[in-house]
Amino acid sequence: NAGVTQTPKFQVLKTGQSMTLQCAQDMNHNSMYWYRQDPGMGLRLIYYSASEGTTDKGEVPNGYNVSRLNKREFSLRLESAAPSQTSVYFCASSDTGIGNTEAFFGQGTRLTVV
Amino acid sequence: AQRVTQPEKLLSVFKGAPVELKCNYSYSGSPELFWYVQYSRQRLQLLLRHISRESIKGFTADLNKGETSFHLKKPFAQEEDSAMYYCALTQAGTALIFGKGTTLSVSS
Repeated sequence: NAGVTQTPKFQVLKTGQSMTLQCAQDMNHNSMYWYRQDPGMGLRLIYYSASEGTTDKGEVPNGYNVSRLNKREFSLRLESAAPSQTSVYFCASSDTGIGNTEAFFGQGTRLTVV
Repeated sequence: AQRVTQPEKLLSVFKGAPVELKCNYSYSGSPELFWYVQYSRQRLQLLLRHISRESIKGFTADLNKGETSFHLKKPFAQEEDSAMYYCALTQAGTALIFGKGTTLSVSS
């Protein structure tokens, strides 16, 4: 059971380059999330998808776009990377039933923008 | 607006000492509260949730709606408890929101 799989695990970009972080889950979850983790800032929500075909902005959406390609996949795109986007990115998924909202996380993508 | 506050960035204790990681929240309605833990080089994972009222690895957390708190407690800390701990909340249909996290360091 793979759970939540993120690719790549590590990436170095030059300022202005673009890239897409991929995320897939095999637990048939409705909700998927993208977070960034920075020292002293905790986990901040970038974008959220409650179900296939829907996406909502989180706390720090600027500079990012997302696509909920299907129920399994939720990608995060940086169109023009900036050094401020250097971070560790986590994808997560959860079910949406009351009392059943445990989130499962990917292993993270460590992104450095130089 | 919904918010989760963890006032301590770092909590250092000796092995065998009691531990309390503080979490306060602001939310309208009835949220679900969680504690997640991230051990070194491991994925973030659920430690416990208020609905279950369970004890995991010796940790407990009681939801105090009057004080809007969900503090995590353990009577005797172990070195293997050293990790980053996040308090989080959600309500069905809304996004999971995290606090800034507290690093727990347990030394012998």
